[in-house]
Amino acid sequence: GNSVTQMEGPVTLSEEAFLTINCTYTATGYPSLFWYVQYPGEGLQLLLKATKADDKGSNKGFEATYRKETTSFHLEKGSVQVSDSAVYFCALSDLETGANNLFFGTGTRLTVIP
Amino acid sequence: NAGVTQTPKFRILKIGQSMTLQCTQDMNHNYMYWYRQDPGMGLKLIYYSVGAGITDKGEVPNGYNVSRSTTEDFPLRLELAAPSQTSVYFCASGQGQDTQYFGPGTRLTVL
Repeated sequence: GNSVTQMEGPVTLSEEAFLTINCTYTATGYPSLFWYVQYPGEGLQLLLKATKADDKGSNKGFEATYRKETTSFHLEKGSVQVSDSAVYFCALSDLETGANNLFFGTGTRLTVIP
Repeated sequence: NAGVTQTPKFRILKIGQSMTLQCTQDMNHNYMYWYRQDPGMGLKLIYYSVGAGITDKGEVPNGYNVSRSTTEDFPLRLELAAPSQTSVYFCASGQGQDTQYFGPGTRLTVL
């Protein structure tokens, strides 16, 4: 079956620190992989995605590379800002139903302090 | 373009009451989804729809019903509310294998 295992938080970093949030997955076939971000009081927004092995998704300074050999999609950012404080969810798409159903990790709360 | 809208934002129900959570999208997406998010957990799929008149169960459908009479609307019905249904509910829409767009959520408490 499909599952996503995500690094547990919370994570607290100082501004300009390097960020890594680990994500590994189990899936049938080769699903698309996503990182969604949830700011306080809001719904989820797509941060980046990758649709095939070795693809790198990037947005707003965040990056993640689809690694088939390690079944991983770790999120990285070189220098975090206070405005990056949010909950980050790793997700994969279910290819079997054809409806792009998403399976989510438990989320990692990031707090960036000035 | 409002995207995905959900009403109400908050609701408190008593055990055994019923209610409908509304979801509307104006992006002409065929696919729509309902998720619930429990504290400290990821989102779990309740029901989904690949087009008007077509719905199917997700991972956690028990206690819920949906309908999809139009492309725009995808209401979620709770018939007999239970404390286990206390959660934040998110509606989303998308097109094929593309990105899903989420609404702001409905926070439901069942006492």
